[in-house]
Order: sequence, then C-alpha cells, then structure tokens
Amino acid sequence: EAEVAQSPRYKITEKSQAVAFWCDPISGHATLYWYRQILGQGPELLVQFQDESVVDDSQLPKDRFSAERLKGVDSTLKIQPAELGDSAMYLCASSKTDSETYEQYFGPGTRLTVT
Amino acid sequence: AQKVTQAQTEISVVEKEDVTLDCVYETRDTTYYLFWYKQPPSGELVFLIRRNSFDEQNEISGRYSWNFQKSTSSFNFTITASQVVDSAVYFCALSGGGATNKLIFGTGTLLAVQP
Repeated sequence: EAEVAQSPRYKITEKSQAVAFWCDPISGHATLYWYRQILGQGPELLVQFQDESVVDDSQLPKDRFSAERLKGVDSTLKIQPAELGDSAMYLCASSKTDSETYEQYFGPGTRLTVT
Repeated sequence: AQKVTQAQTEISVVEKEDVTLDCVYETRDTTYYLFWYKQPPSGELVFLIRRNSFDEQNEISGRYSWNFQKSTSSFNFTITASQVVDSAVYFCALSGGGATNKLIFGTGTLLAVQP
C-alpha cells in the first residue's frame, strides 16, 4: 500500500540553527499539506500545496518558516532560525486533489526537539 | 469560525468494555465533512472515517460505529468490545468552506485500554 514518506523521523537541533524536513507524498496525489502538532494538541495546518502552488500558508510563520514543492511532487519545510517553541511533530499529508471528498493520508511525522 | 471540541482528555477502560468518544463541532457552512483519525504511539495519523453533512446515517465498521447528529452538532465514535490495540489518541476533525479543505482538529482523546 502506498504511503507518505517523511524524513528524518527525529531531529534534535539547537536554538538558532537551521533545520529542514522532507516529504514525499503518495504517487499521483496533487495536494500536499504540512501540519504542526504541539504535544497534547491536534495538528494545525501550516501550508497547503496544490501541485507546485501554495493554496494556503496563512498560519505559516513566514519570518522563519519556508516551504517549497518545486516540481509538484516532494516537498521541503525549512525553519531558520529554530526557536524553542518550534519543538513539535511536523506531519505531512497528501490527497488526490483539494476536494473535501478525498481523505488526507498522513506520513509518520518528524519529531523536532529544539534545545 | 470552525471549531472541534473533544471534551474527554483521557479515557481508561478495561478490555472488552464499550467506549464512546465524544466530538462536538461548530461551523457556519452548510456543506462540510467530519473525520475521525487514530494516532497510535508511533505518531502516524490513521484515517478511520469521513462523513459529509448531508448524510446523517450512522455507520458501523466491525467494532467501530459512528453516530452523526446535526441537531446537536455531534459526531461521536463508539468502540465495542475494546481491545488493547485500540489504545491511542483519537482525533475528530472538520473541513469545509473557504479556499482550502484544511482539517480543523480537536485536541484529541487519549484512550487507554487495560488488559
């Protein structure tokens, strides 16, 4: 069964350093999402791509976060500089299209710890 | 604004007991979708069910059942004859309206099934 791939699974970084996460969606899925999940809370959308275009990045802290999906396939989420409050699980998801009738499939996530 | 409330933070049951997880949502949209996801300790969100706002028919899938009531804005999830493998955090989510189909998650309910 096809899965969403993410790497790394775990990342420990020091405050003010740069960090990057990678996501490879299920083949053929046009829509890709990055969510952040703080411990004890539900995931919150950071950015949504439709193919290579950003559809929603209203909750992305653009002063330090950036995301790209250059060829409309895999995607990278970057944080620079990392802050203590960025410690969280970063989840990538994909769906066939941005239609609400298609469920989102999630990857295993990257657990980030900022020290 | 859209909102999902899962008032039960933690539930502990003994194996074979039935358990119901509550979900209450708020939305002004007439068309929307409700979801349940399971998050085991490994961290990956596993899709369980999607229900659209026009379909209030209850659904049963094996030991799982869902009760959707628009009159009370609730979408509750029942596990019959719980098993240790059901132990996880369960999230209720809502999508609908706007330019994206981002999921609005509740804070989750931690279910612990004791042997």
